[in-house]
Amino acid sequence: GQNIDQPTEMTATEGAIVQINCTYQTSGFNGLFWYQQHAGEAPTFLSYNVLDGLEEKGRFSSFLSRSKGYSYLLLKELQMKDSASYLCAVIGNSGYALNFGKGTSLLVTP
Amino acid sequence: EADIYQTPRYLVIGTGKKITLECSQTMGHDKMYWYQQDPGMELHLIHYSYGVNSTEKGDLSSESTVSRIRTEHFPLTLESARPSHTSQYLCASSEWGLEENIQYFGAGTRLSVL
Repeated sequence: GQNIDQPTEMTATEGAIVQINCTYQTSGFNGLFWYQQHAGEAPTFLSYNVLDGLEEKGRFSSFLSRSKGYSYLLLKELQMKDSASYLCAVIGNSGYALNFGKGTSLLVTP
Repeated sequence: EADIYQTPRYLVIGTGKKITLECSQTMGHDKMYWYQQDPGMELHLIHYSYGVNSTEKGDLSSESTVSRIRTEHFPLTLESARPSHTSQYLCASSEWGLEENIQYFGAGTRLSVL
């Protein structure tokens, strides 16, 4: 089976740094994805990790440890528009199907 | 980034009606997907397609059906809608290959069955 866990809610201050964790237990591993989803909108792709280590893309970075079944998304210099749900998703043995966590709702306050 | 369109964005219908949710993409992606998402819950894959004339059921059982007659078009049909079908339906597409397995999502259709 597939099990992907991430915190339900987080709150952070504008300009700060926030780390959203994700742990997974899946049948096989073919990549981990982070998506951002604003309320009522489509998920938009943020990052993709298939090898261990840190991937940096502007204000967003994502880290993966396959041996620990662990990833985090790091958001720097938080802006109000970063308030959204952040979805962790893993592709397992299927090689195509994204298995999503329930998402972490991030609230950025002034 | 893929351009992927879903219509309608919102739909309220009565029980027993037949409905088709439309999904089209203009990037020539071979792989397309349908996900179902209830409020506050994770997305679940209900259908996918590797290409024309290829359709498979996903992990979550669904009473809906899909077809893939053209590469760019992947409609989802409910023959007889019920209140239990009330949910958000998201369509996505991706290219072949592991590196290109990034899925791009449409804006979704929010369905309410009364």
